[in-house]
Amino acid sequence: DGGITQSPKYLFRKEGQNVTLSCEQNLNHDAMYWYRQDPGQGLRLIYYSQIVNDFQKGDIAEGYSVSREKKESFPLTVTSAQKNPTAFYLCASSIRYSQQPQHFGDGTRLSIL
Amino acid sequence: KNEVEQSPQNLTAQEGEFITINCSYSVGISALHWLQQHPGGGIVSLFMLSSGKKKHGRLIATINIQEKHSSLHITASHPRDSAVYICAVGGSQGNLIFGKGTKLSVKP
Repeated sequence: DGGITQSPKYLFRKEGQNVTLSCEQNLNHDAMYWYRQDPGQGLRLIYYSQIVNDFQKGDIAEGYSVSREKKESFPLTVTSAQKNPTAFYLCASSIRYSQQPQHFGDGTRLSIL
Repeated sequence: KNEVEQSPQNLTAQEGEFITINCSYSVGISALHWLQQHPGGGIVSLFMLSSGKKKHGRLIATINIQEKHSSLHITASHPRDSAVYICAVGGSQGNLIFGKGTKLSVKP
């Protein structure tokens, strides 16, 4: 079955460490997205990619980086510059960018040790 | 003011009750989405609509473009409907703008 796989489900980071969250899709979708979810807040867009080898900053890109070397993969790195990284991170994809229904992964919960 | 407002924030219902969740938005849109987030965190897209009404099983979504308002209805609610329901609208940049969600708990 096609879908989005995020790993790991839970991740712990020490202060000053970079960590990378994995997102893989086998839906053959062009567009992929990373969102951050905090308690009591709506999802906020970190980065998105409309096509391979292209990505754009979203609303809260500071302290994060991404790459899109393959259509199926859109990893997110949370760098030490992100001062408040504890959150739930969701990856999504859609056939094309803009207005399409998005398919979501099950998320990764990141916590600071 | 948030661009997408949902009400209520929390909703508790008895099994079998008819449930309505509301979404109001202040931006021009071409489509509105209703999503369901399970307790484990995964999100499923329920509806994408730009006018009128859509129905899927016991779920019905309506939208009034002139009033910038949408509703999600659940008929004959069941404990398995317990989840967070999220409204999102398509912004002018092609992105989605999300509401904060409505947490629904259906008691047996």
